[in-house]
Amino acid sequence: SQQGEEDPQALSIQEGENATMNCSYKTSINNLQWYRQNSGRGLVHLILIRSNEREKHSGRLRVTLDTSKKSSSLLITASRAADTASYFCATASTGTYKYIFGTGTRLKVLA
Amino acid sequence: EAGVTQFPSHSVIEKGQTVTLRCDPISGHDNLYWYRRVMGKEIKFLLHFVKESKQDESGMPNNRFLAERTGGTYSTLKVQPAELEDSGVYFCASSQAGSKNIQYFGAGTRLSVL
Repeated sequence: SQQGEEDPQALSIQEGENATMNCSYKTSINNLQWYRQNSGRGLVHLILIRSNEREKHSGRLRVTLDTSKKSSSLLITASRAADTASYFCATASTGTYKYIFGTGTRLKVLA
Repeated sequence: EAGVTQFPSHSVIEKGQTVTLRCDPISGHDNLYWYRRVMGKEIKFLLHFVKESKQDESGMPNNRFLAERTGGTYSTLKVQPAELEDSGVYFCASSQAGSKNIQYFGAGTRLSVL
């Protein structure tokens, strides 16, 4: 499997429900970031979690990081139709600059 | 403060032609990166500039791709000659000095090679 793999690949939920996406990676990292891409648009930075942090919140977003399992999860609570997008995690191995992205999770929130 | 801007937003060219993509990073960001996403696959790193110097170009697919960052400000990525498999979205990102900083991405250039 590739570094920065997300699962599920696609997720369809009703507005108001919670959405959980997972990401796994392979190497030691400085931090892990989650990005969102709306159809045809650029990548928007959502949240960064550093390697010494276990959980972080930002509005309706909650990110967890388990460095022992080399995995992270992104929880979007009370989802809205506007949350429909692809979500990517990105990691940079310790001491490097280049991000490695997974194939992303396509989230569809139905109104 | 302006974000990372990319031009054009979409380019349609024929196989064999040349295309030049441009990226203007956030002012003051020494680090500039190019990534691309082809055929719905994962977003892949192409190269990294620190100011005007190429720090890492390990992701450049072949010698048809040439990236420059003269003066350490904006960057261009030229594809010459373009092939069908070059179609995809090319993203540029920039960050402040230091490897732990957030990379801010532009909207991307969608390249379609026919």
